[in-house]
Amino acid sequence: GAGVSQSPSNKVTEKGKDVELRCDPISGHTALYWYRQSLGQGLEFLIYFQGNSAPDKSGLPSDRFSAERTGGSVSTLTIQRTQQEDSAVYLCASRAPLNTEAFFGQGTRLTVV
Amino acid sequence: DAKTTQPNSMESNEEEPVHLPCNHSTISGTDYIHWYRQLPSQGPEYVIHGLTSNVNNRMASLAIAEDRKSSTLILHRATLRDAAVYYCILRESGAQKLVFGQGTRLTINP
Repeated sequence: GAGVSQSPSNKVTEKGKDVELRCDPISGHTALYWYRQSLGQGLEFLIYFQGNSAPDKSGLPSDRFSAERTGGSVSTLTIQRTQQEDSAVYLCASRAPLNTEAFFGQGTRLTVV
Repeated sequence: DAKTTQPNSMESNEEEPVHLPCNHSTISGTDYIHWYRQLPSQGPEYVIHGLTSNVNNRMASLAIAEDRKSSTLILHRATLRDAAVYYCILRESGAQKLVFGQGTRLTINP
C-alpha cells in the first residue's frame, strides 16, 4: 500500500505569494499532523487533525498559516503572503486509530525567494 | 510536555552495537517513550516505543531504566544505513502530538 504522499516535493515561490501544500495520508488513518523543519533543525509541530476537525492548532506560527482537511482524507496547508522565514521542509504524518506509530511523508521543500 | 536530553552527536563503527542514551528526568507515570529516526532527506520513521518494560523489535531494542528517568536505544549491529538523526520523544497516554527535540546525529564509520 502507498505511504503518506505529499505534493509538490519542491516549491519555489516569490515573497508575498500564497502557496498550498498537499498531503494524502494513508487510507484509513484518522489522525493527520503537519510539521515543519527548518534547515538543520528539529521538527516543529504545526497542527493536528482528527478526522476533519483540528483540535490542536497550537503550532501554527501566525494567521498567515491555515490548514484544512476534507473527507477525513486529504489535507491542505496554506501559507498566505509568504516570507523568507517560511522557507523550510513541511512534513505531513498520519496515524491509524488506536495505533502508536505515525507515518511521515517525504515532505515539501518550500523556498521563498 | 516533559523534556528529553540527548547527545548532539555520536559515532560508531559498522557491525558494532550502538547505544543511544536519552535522559527524561521529569517523565510522568503516563508518558510513553518513543524513538523515531530521520534518514537524510527523508521524513522521520518510527523505531520503537515503550512504557516501563524493555522492548525489542526487528529494528532495535529499548532499555528503560527502573526509575524511568532514562532510556537507551540499542542498535545491535549497526550498518551504514543506520546513519540518521535519532529522536527520543515522550508522549503522554492519550496525547496526540509528538514533540521532537534536536535528536542525536549518529554517524556510522565503514
